[in-house]
Amino acid sequence: KNQVEQSPQSLIILEGKNCTLQCNYTVSPFSNLRWYKQDTGRGPVSLTIMTFSENTKSNGRYTATLDADTKQSSLHITASQLSDSASYICVVKPFNDYKLSFGAGTTVTVRA
Amino acid sequence: SQTIHQWPATLVQPVGSPLSLECTVEGTSNPNLYWYRQAAGRGLQLLFYSVGIGQISSEVPQNLSASRPQDRQFILSSKKLLLSDSGFYLCAWIQGGSDTEAFFGQGTRLTVV
Repeated sequence: KNQVEQSPQSLIILEGKNCTLQCNYTVSPFSNLRWYKQDTGRGPVSLTIMTFSENTKSNGRYTATLDADTKQSSLHITASQLSDSASYICVVKPFNDYKLSFGAGTTVTVRA
Repeated sequence: SQTIHQWPATLVQPVGSPLSLECTVEGTSNPNLYWYRQAAGRGLQLLFYSVGIGQISSEVPQNLSASRPQDRQFILSSKKLLLSDSGFYLCAWIQGGSDTEAFFGQGTRLTVV
């Protein structure tokens, strides 16, 4: 069964600090992995996409990593801002299948 | 550019009443459309998906149904709502090809009372 596990479930950080979110998956065969940001009461929005051959990709203060061998990904947020408070969802797409597998998300709260 | 519209944003309905949530997509043709439900602390649960007009696949047996009367319109319905139908519902379309980014509507917070 294709599964995506995220940790931690939630975290609180001070503004300006860094944090790292983890995603482990069992989806196979693997096509790509995306990190989405979901503000409260809104639909998720894509931050980054990682394919099998990519190890690191940045989008501003967000940096995603992928280890396809161990089936792990991380999302690093640098110099956090209050607007980073949101849920971050790891989504994995199997090869030749449009049924995406979603993690439960990590809720990040940034405090001043 | 492509956009996806979902309404209403919030809805409070009594038990036993009908439901109709609508989703429309602009700027693309023959999109793959999806209805998800999101429960607190859990990942998005796929309810229905459609690859074309009149083509509906159900992932989870439940009190809900879906229809696709037009190419870019996807509707989630129920004849009689249950308390357990409360939740956050998201419509999405997934762009084809290797990129496969999912674009989500704003979501509907449904509360069944």
